[in-house]
Amino acid sequence: GAGVSQSPRYKVTKRGQDVALRCDPISGHVSLYWYRQALGQGPEFLTYFNYEAQQDKSGLPNDRFSAERPEGSISTLTIQRTEQRDSAMYRCASSLEGDGLAGTSSYNEQFFGPGTRLTVL
Amino acid sequence: AQSVTQPDIHITVSEGASLELRCNYSYGATPYLFWYVQSPGQGLQLLLKYFSGDTLVQGIKGFEAEFKRSQSSFNLRKPSVHWSDAAEYFCAVGSNTGNQFYFGTGTSLTVIP
Repeated sequence: GAGVSQSPRYKVTKRGQDVALRCDPISGHVSLYWYRQALGQGPEFLTYFNYEAQQDKSGLPNDRFSAERPEGSISTLTIQRTEQRDSAMYRCASSLEGDGLAGTSSYNEQFFGPGTRLTVL
Repeated sequence: AQSVTQPDIHITVSEGASLELRCNYSYGATPYLFWYVQSPGQGLQLLLKYFSGDTLVQGIKGFEAEFKRSQSSFNLRKPSVHWSDAAEYFCAVGSNTGNQFYFGTGTSLTVIP
């Protein structure tokens, strides 16, 4: 079956413009995650959803960043008034269920998309 | 706070040689530990994971990792490296309260013939 898809794969924008990055998770996956990966770094957690509910947005760096998943499937990460420091790879992941229970093996694998490479000039 | 340290930024090994990539974590409770591989232009692929039980876990592509609580480590190993193993490897610890992952900075592996 299809994996996690993201669009666009590459986005070049000018400083001050708004951008919207899309993530299409694996069909049936309940949980969806957004990460940001700077060059030479590991992915950094931004936010995640269970169905349409945003469970944790503690990783969003500031109020220019927002995410939504209105119908519990496709998600959009929006960055307003982009700055050069926003340039990075933005990765989306999905999993069957996000509420891993301590002591069980039900902690589900996150499947990652190919990412969107954002460049802010 | 949770964190992951991968001390080796870059490792070069000869094809056929053994490999060990180091990972140390900081986490207050029983950790959920993962190793992911990232090939150029590709997404992250899960190699293996540890939740509980046997501390030596087997993964795909001939990789294994051993959880050592006393050392707060989860090192990745492979007895014989193939040229196709050249990639970036990330260790991650999962939170058991929210399911977000905390990744290390990665180790880049080069395989020479």
